[in-house]
Amino acid sequence: GAVVSQHPSWVICKSGTSVKIECRSLDFQATTMFWYRQFPKQSLMLMATSNEGSKATYEQGVEKDKFLINHASLTLSTLTVTSAHPEDSSFYICSASRQGAGEQYFGPGTRLTVT
Amino acid sequence: AQTVTQSQPEMSVQEAETVTLSCTYDTSESDYYLFWYKQPPSRQMILVIRQEAYKQQNATENRFSVNFQKAAKSFSLKISDSQLGDAAMYFCAYGGNEKLTFGTGTRLTIIP
Repeated sequence: GAVVSQHPSWVICKSGTSVKIECRSLDFQATTMFWYRQFPKQSLMLMATSNEGSKATYEQGVEKDKFLINHASLTLSTLTVTSAHPEDSSFYICSASRQGAGEQYFGPGTRLTVT
Repeated sequence: AQTVTQSQPEMSVQEAETVTLSCTYDTSESDYYLFWYKQPPSRQMILVIRQEAYKQQNATENRFSVNFQKAAKSFSLKISDSQLGDAAMYFCAYGGNEKLTFGTGTRLTIIP
């Protein structure tokens, strides 16, 4: 149980275009979903926290207009990177938690390459 | 703000031996969780072990155990009988109010 999927696993897009990444909790209802960014050989940095039906809470330094997060249901959250640039190339990981679980369940990640 | 420090960027251990990874953290909270995650080359984050701060007993999961020293804010991971499959990045994480703060990670190499 507690499986989280991400789609796509790998995406290449041209500079200036937008790309959407989906995060789904497959076998549980996620009260909260989280989006992380991980640069090569570095740790995970939390970008934002989202609750179903509410606006996402962004961490300091994260551009909310650039990284649009939508948490439309208890099993789906999406991250849209708008007007992507090469510096947005990174590994994006989502996670989900359920009430009372005391832990987050991680998706497999999405590698974004902006050319 | 909470911080997590892993002072060992890289560690290596002979197969079948024991290795300890260090982690310290800083918080003003009294109730929180601490985690060790493994990230193999696939980059999938895998939960290794979890400790609830209010529990004095150290958590164990098969070959993995922790030494949790709440007063010292220390949370080390001991891997016994190291196996080749244990080779990975290991991240210590602090969890409070659902958010996770990660350390910088320790790359563990297993020597056959």
